[in-house]
Amino acid sequence: DTEVTQTPKHLVMGMTNKKSLKCEQHMGHRAMYWYKQKAKKPPELMFVYSYEKLSINESVPSRFSPECPNSSLLNLHLHALQPEDSALYLCASSRGTGGGTQYFGPGTRLTVL
Amino acid sequence: GNSVTQMEGPVTLSEEAFLTINCTYTATGYPSLFWYVQYPGEGLQLLLKATKADDKGSNKGFEATYRKETTSFHLEKGSVQVSDSAVYFCALSDDTNAGKSTFGDGTTLTVKP
Repeated sequence: DTEVTQTPKHLVMGMTNKKSLKCEQHMGHRAMYWYKQKAKKPPELMFVYSYEKLSINESVPSRFSPECPNSSLLNLHLHALQPEDSALYLCASSRGTGGGTQYFGPGTRLTVL
Repeated sequence: GNSVTQMEGPVTLSEEAFLTINCTYTATGYPSLFWYVQYPGEGLQLLLKATKADDKGSNKGFEATYRKETTSFHLEKGSVQVSDSAVYFCALSDDTNAGKSTFGDGTTLTVKP
């Protein structure tokens, strides 16, 4: 199984809502990532978890809150977002953080009204 | 720091034409090099990779050779199909950067029948 799954596929939320994005992998990977991707741009790294601990936070605003409940799951909690946060949010995983292949999920298309 | 420079797009070709997308990099360590492809509405998929100098990655008729002397990893395909229409990202990662991958800006390829 080389699949990373993400739910939901689409999400529309108001600026006062609280929502969560979910990501799951069953490849035994110990590193998981959240990226934000705007149209026609490369993915921008937001967070890296290594062995279920947050190892990189790329100065992301606190309205984005990551969580790694176990080695297979990664969540991104959203609160008080702004319209400019509308984007495709991609989850990825890799065996470790030593420079190997990242496996991406299909993404959640987020629209903030 | 690490960086990846990709040939600017968009690129439009006729079916069965030859494809080259240029990619050059700078890196402080000994990176692995990747080409990812993103089809409309989807996440990124690994297309091919090479982990050391002179390695050739290949998949689905696409090839790229890791050239350390020219710091390049150009993507080629001898005969493109309409189904190859997508955005192509060149990327690198190494073990000095805690799991971060560095992506090029992406090249949009459109293949016309």
